[in-house]
Amino acid sequence: QVQLVQSGAEVKKPGASVKVSCKASGYTFNNYGITWVRQAPGQGLEWVGWISAYSGNINYAQKVQGRVTMTTDTSTSTAYMELRSLRSDDTAVYYCARVAYGPWDAFDIWGQGTMVTVSS
Amino acid sequence: DIQMTQSPSSLSASVGDRVTITCRASQTISSYLNWYQQKPGKAPKLLIYAASSLQSGVPSRFSGSGSGTDFTLTISRLQPEDFATYYCQQSYSTPWTFGQGTKVEIK
Repeated sequence: QVQLVQSGAEVKKPGASVKVSCKASGYTFNNYGITWVRQAPGQGLEWVGWISAYSGNINYAQKVQGRVTMTTDTSTSTAYMELRSLRSDDTAVYYCARVAYGPWDAFDIWGQGTMVTVSS
Repeated sequence: DIQMTQSPSSLSASVGDRVTITCRASQTISSYLNWYQQKPGKAPKLLIYAASSLQSGVPSRFSGSGSGTDFTLTISRLQPEDFATYYCQQSYSTPWTFGQGTKVEIK
């Protein structure tokens, strides 16, 4: 079935980097974009950025601009999000999701989430 | 950035009730509005896209309406599995933004 499977939880120190993976299966990876959304403990959803798997177009949220890099590997149908210079307020569950129903760009399939904890 | 404001932030309702959640955009977004349901410890789930289109597999008691700046999500007869937090999200322009969420609790 169509699914996104993310890598496991991470614990990092402030200033370190983290790279989260999101492996797609059950659909043609190149035909869709992947977005990343995070959720701090007890808080709402925050959009982090988006990458098109077919064009390579990328768009990042201002809050993480300069610290984040999103990439895709079409040979393995995997998307990656690397976040550098981690701060305590980056502690959150990070979700990847498929972007569908263009042009309405709804997030129709979600990964299970990856908890990233930033703590000294 | 387009700000999305949901109301109420929380509500208490009983099984069988009709529930309406509103979402207002800070500028016109046409019908570029999606709704999600999230249960504790789980990833969000797409309910409605393009303001009023029901996602495949979502029960017909969920419906969406609106265009421009004002939108609503309606649950016609609340079921026990509907107690969750609901988010609207605009896809009119990046940065894509979410409302703050509406928590639907059991009365």
